[in-house]
Amino acid sequence: AQKITQTQPGMFVQEKEAVTLDCTYDTSDPSYGLFWYKQPSSGEMIFLIYQGSYDQQNATEGRYSLNFQKARKSANLVISASQLGDSAMYFCAMREAVSLSSKIIFGSGTRLSIRP
Amino acid sequence: GAVVSQHPSWVICKSGTSVKIECRSLDFQATTMFWYRQFPKQSLMLMATSNEGSKATYEQGVEKDKFLINHASLTLSTLTVTSAHPEDSSFYICSAPGQGLAYEQYFGPGTRLTVT
Repeated sequence: AQKITQTQPGMFVQEKEAVTLDCTYDTSDPSYGLFWYKQPSSGEMIFLIYQGSYDQQNATEGRYSLNFQKARKSANLVISASQLGDSAMYFCAMREAVSLSSKIIFGSGTRLSIRP
Repeated sequence: GAVVSQHPSWVICKSGTSVKIECRSLDFQATTMFWYRQFPKQSLMLMATSNEGSKATYEQGVEKDKFLINHASLTLSTLTVTSAHPEDSSFYICSAPGQGLAYEQYFGPGTRLTVT
């Protein structure tokens, strides 16, 4: 069965510093996708970045990059030059057997707080 | 981009009554939709996968007779919480996959249910 683990319940980071949010996963399916979402206090789910299991390069989207270590089954999110608006809950998620109907499960989340 | 709406955005109901939550894909068709429940300060827990024209697939531990899911059209899925109790108070979020790209997963804004 698929499983996502986020071991950092909360993190405090100084504004403009880089931060790494940890995520490990477990699956027996060779085809899977990994997501990171941001959830501010409003509750909306904001898509940040995606990594497919067969993607050769680590995904990047602006200030977000995904450090994909396939052998270690880790998919850490790196946020460069953090901003006050980055304060939110961050969820790592995974979809097995990449197809439109396959479900996405979420890790427990990390609450990131940016200090001015 | 694609939009998923939910209605109502918040609802208060009395214990023992039923409440229906709608999830609509506004500019695309969704044969599959997912329903999640999120308790305060916790992660999104998948409740069920809604399939257009067929029965929903419920996750282990979710009472199918209590959480009725109907996916009557390619743009609408409904979740009915029957005989609601205070412990059903939660944030309910639906999502639908996009039309092609693996990373496309669109989330509704959520419905906050409070049972008194």
